[in-house]
Amino acid sequence: DTEVTQTPKHLVMGMTNKKSLKCEQHMGHRAMYWYKQKAKKPPELMFVYSYEKLSINESVPSRFSPECPNSSLLNLHLHALQPEDSALYLCASSQDFMGAQYFGPGTRLLVL
Amino acid sequence: GNSVTQMEGPVTLSEEAFLTINCTYTATGYPSLFWYVQYPGEGLQLLLKATKADDKGSNKGFEATYRKETTSFHLEKGSVQVSDSAVFLCAPKGDNFNKFYFGSGTKLNVKP
Repeated sequence: DTEVTQTPKHLVMGMTNKKSLKCEQHMGHRAMYWYKQKAKKPPELMFVYSYEKLSINESVPSRFSPECPNSSLLNLHLHALQPEDSALYLCASSQDFMGAQYFGPGTRLLVL
Repeated sequence: GNSVTQMEGPVTLSEEAFLTINCTYTATGYPSLFWYVQYPGEGLQLLLKATKADDKGSNKGFEATYRKETTSFHLEKGSVQVSDSAVFLCAPKGDNFNKFYFGSGTKLNVKP
């Protein structure tokens, strides 16, 4: 099983809403990632978790709050987002920092 | 510093043409090298990888060889199909690429 799943596939939210994106993998990977991808651009790294601990935060605004409840799950909590935060949010996992990353299909977020 | 450079697209080819997409990197270490592919409306998929010098990664008719002397990992395919139309992203990853970023991506359009 080399699948990373993400829910929801699409999300529309207002600037005052609170929502969460979810990511799950059952490959036993110990590193998990959140990326943001704008149209026609490569993915930009947001956060990296290693062994369920946050190891990299790429200076992401605090309105994005990651959480890793266990080794298989990764959440991204969203609060008070701006329209410019509209993008495709991708989750990925890898065995370790050196290994290939496996991506989920993404959540397409629209902030109104 | 460390960086990765991909040829700018879009690249437009006729079916059965030969494809080369250039990727070069600068690094003080010995990164593992990956190519990812993103089909329209989808997330990223690992296409192939190489972890040491002279290794050749291959998948779905695509090939790339880790060239340490030229710090390159050019992607090739002998005969492209319309279904190969996608964005291809080069991604070095390793000790000195600890920021986990991707190349700018090269869009390939294959016409019947």
